[in-house]
Formats: sequence, C-alpha cells, structure tokens
Amino acid sequence: IAGITQAPTSQILAAGRRMTLRCTQDMRHNAMYWYRQDLGLGLRLIHYSNTAGTTGKGEVPDGYSVSRANTDDFPLTLASAVPSQTSVYFCASSGSDRGIGYNEQFFGPGTRLTVL
Amino acid sequence: GENVEQHPSTLSVQEGDSAVIKCTYSDSASNYFPWYKQELGKGPQLIIDIRSNVGEKKDQRIAVTLNKTAKHFSLHITETQPEDSAVYFCAAVRVRGAGSYQLTFGKGTKLSVIP
Repeated sequence: IAGITQAPTSQILAAGRRMTLRCTQDMRHNAMYWYRQDLGLGLRLIHYSNTAGTTGKGEVPDGYSVSRANTDDFPLTLASAVPSQTSVYFCASSGSDRGIGYNEQFFGPGTRLTVL
Repeated sequence: GENVEQHPSTLSVQEGDSAVIKCTYSDSASNYFPWYKQELGKGPQLIIDIRSNVGEKKDQRIAVTLNKTAKHFSLHITETQPEDSAVYFCAAVRVRGAGSYQLTFGKGTKLSVIP
C-alpha cells in the first residue's frame, strides 16, 4: 500500500521555468490538498480539491495552479517559478468518514523545490 | 479568519521528562483540534485529536487538553523517549458542513529529547 506518493523528491529549478509537482494517492480519497512548508511559517494551504473535477484556492494560491482530472492525481504547476517559491511542498488527501465533518489528512513525503 | 499561535517554537527535554506544547486559537467556531507529528524528511502524521465537546483525551503517553472558554489547547507527552524527537504541529478546524471545513496549522514546535 503506497498511500500518497510525490515526485520528484527534490528539484533545483531556474527562475522563469515551468514546473509540475506530481501527487498520486491510492486510497480513493475524495479530497486532496497542496501545502507549502517554510521555516517559521508552518504549513500553508495553496490549493485544494474536494472531489474530482473541482478545485479551490487556499491561503497562498498566487503563482500556482492545480487540476483534478481524476480521483487519484492532483498535480501542482508553477507556471513561471520565482525564488520565493523555494519551499518544501506537501500533498495530502482525506476521505475517511468519521462522522464529525472533518476527515484526517494523510500527507505525502514532500518535494523539496529550490528556485534559483 | 482563524489564527493559531503555538509555543514554544523549540523545546529540549531530558529523556524520561514530560513535554508540553501549547496552542491558542482565535475563532470560537473552531470545533476540532488535531495534532500532527513530523519526523525529519517525512510528511506530518496525525497522532491525536480532540473535539470541542471534550476536555481531555489520552492515548498512552500522549494527552491533549482543551479549554474552550480560554481558546487554548495543549499536547502533553510523558516519559519522553528519543523517538519522540520531531516537529509537532497543532491545528484548529472549523467544520462548516458535510465535507467542508477550514483547517489552520500552528507554526510548529521542534522537540528534542536528549538521551
């Protein structure tokens, strides 16, 4: 059971280049999320998707786009990378119905991105 | 929107001692409070959570307390072990409806357990 996988593990990117971070889950979870983690700032939500075919903006969406063509995949694209997008990016998914309205988020291992 | 403050940002304890991490939140409508543990090089993982209608919850060496009136909640780890060393994140969740919620993380606490 893989859970959530992310690719690449790490990447160094020149400013202005386009980059897509991949995220795949095999738990058939409806909801998926992208966070960035920066030292001293914790985890901040970039975009989310409650179900295949829908997406929404989080706290820091500017410069990023997402798509949700199917249940399993949720790629994050940086159309023109800038140095301030240097960060560790985590994908997460949730879907188990615990009957409380909030479902536990399961996180991937992360992608470390450096934009020069 | 919700604001979650977490303290301390770093914490060092001797093995066997207790560790306490505290969080406060601003939105009185938040009603669910998970705690995540992030080990080096890995993604965060849920370790314990508490609902707003409960004051305390315990799971072996880990416990969480919630004071709704004061809007603060705490993580308590007893008999700490080296494998407890990690970054811990608190979070506040406001459930708006079925499948719709807002989750806000604290900025994290780096816990170091010294053997």
